[in-house]
Amino acid sequence: EPEVTQTPSHQVTQMGQEVILRCVPISNHLYFYWYRQILGQKVEFLVSFYNNEISEKSEIFDDQFSVERPDGSNFTLKIRSTKLEDSAMYFCASSEAMMATTDTQYFGPGTRLTVL
Amino acid sequence: DQQVKQNSPSLSVQEGRISILNCDYTNSMFDYFLWYKKYPAEGPTFLISISSIKDKNEDGRFTVFLNKSAKHLSLHIVPSQPGDSAVYFCAASEGVNAGGTSYGKLTFGQGTILTVHP
Repeated sequence: EPEVTQTPSHQVTQMGQEVILRCVPISNHLYFYWYRQILGQKVEFLVSFYNNEISEKSEIFDDQFSVERPDGSNFTLKIRSTKLEDSAMYFCASSEAMMATTDTQYFGPGTRLTVL
Repeated sequence: DQQVKQNSPSLSVQEGRISILNCDYTNSMFDYFLWYKKYPAEGPTFLISISSIKDKNEDGRFTVFLNKSAKHLSLHIVPSQPGDSAVYFCAASEGVNAGGTSYGKLTFGQGTILTVHP
C-alpha cells in the first residue's frame, strides 16, 4: 500500500541552525501539507501546497519557514534559524484531491526535531 | 484554538465491549470530519471519515456518527480489541470554499487515549 515517507526520523540541531525536513508524498497525490505536534499539545496545521505554490499557511508559518517541491517526488520543509520552541514532531501529509468531502489526508511517520 | 474538542483525555474499555469516543466542534463551516489513530512515535493513521451531508458512516468495526445540529461526532468501535489501544484524534476541515480562503487544512482535537483490556 502506498505511503508517505519522511526523513530523517529524528533531527537534533543547535539553536540558530537551519534544518531541512524531507517528505516523499504518495505518488499520485497532488496536495501536500505540513503539520507539527509539540509534546503534549494538539497536531497543528502549518502549510498546504499545491501546484508548486503555497495554498494556505497558519500564523505559525512565519518567514523562518519555507516549503519546496524540488523535484517530482520530494516535498521539503526548511526552518532557517531554529528556535527552542520549534522542537516538535513534524508530520507531512498528502491527498489526492482537495475536495474535502471525498478526500483524505494521509500522514507520514513524522520527524522528531530537537533544538538544543 | 478550541474549534475541535475531545473532552475525554482517556477511555478504558474491556475487550469485546463497545468503545465510544466523542468530539465536539464549534466552527459551523466544517463540512468534513475524520478520525485518525496514532501510536507513539508514528504518524496519524486514517480510520474513517464522514461528510456533513451524512449522519453515519460505517466501515467494519468502526462507525462514525455526526450530529450537525449539536456539532458533535462520535466514533464507535465494536467489538473493541486490545490492538485498538492507541490515541484517537478527530479532525475537521472546511474543505475548499468559494472564497478561496480554505484549502482543506485539518483542525485536530486533543486526542483521547483508548486502552482496551484483555
